[in-house]
Amino acid sequence: EIVLTQSPGTLSLSPGERATLSCRASQSVSSSYLAWYQQKPGQAPRLLIYGASSRATGIPDRFSGSGSGTDFTLTISRLEPEDFAVYYCQQYGSSPRITFGPGTKVDIK
Amino acid sequence: EVQLVQSGAEVKKPGESLRISCKGSGYSFTSYWISWVRQMPGKGLEWMGRIDPSDSYTNYSPSFQGHVTISADKSISTAYLQWSSLKASDTAMYYCARLSGWPNYYFDYWGQGTLVTVSS
Repeated sequence: EIVLTQSPGTLSLSPGERATLSCRASQSVSSSYLAWYQQKPGQAPRLLIYGASSRATGIPDRFSGSGSGTDFTLTISRLEPEDFAVYYCQQYGSSPRITFGPGTKVDIK
Repeated sequence: EVQLVQSGAEVKKPGESLRISCKGSGYSFTSYWISWVRQMPGKGLEWMGRIDPSDSYTNYSPSFQGHVTISADKSISTAYLQWSSLKASDTAMYYCARLSGWPNYYFDYWGQGTLVTVSS
């Protein structure tokens, strides 16, 4: 089973700052199979990044994804007020077929 | 417009059975797998399993195998998540989500969620 670990658990930043979120896998993950989601309170998750670095439709270019193998990163270049939320990484691959990381909460400092 | 519309909130007693639904529209329902994802109060996302609506082939996370049943009725573009005997620990929000398929396998559309509360 591939386990995803996200760090930090909570990131306290101010609007306009840069956010760097990490997702580490217990085994190598194909870059094609790594995605990131944003979830705000009371809402369903929303796809941000797929294939490790491709932005989903309608996602602003301040969101970017990178990485390969076991280490992946989501970067928000300049935080907007609407970006304060919880972010999850997700992999598709070895059994169980799909797993999520525990999430990183980005909150206002 | 692609939509996944889930059934409404449920309040049940331990030991009762339950089936919740997820109706797809705006796309070919049989062309994409549907997954169910659990989110317990204040916690993260857990993948439960998935179904291929074209042939009802399923596979489950080991954590949920034997505890729930995923099914689909392609004639009405609806997927289901079912429990035969609920426990208090099943209290959670449940989301259905469409899996994009090859080559990337990500969840591109999500239902609005169904809150299940199990309490005596």
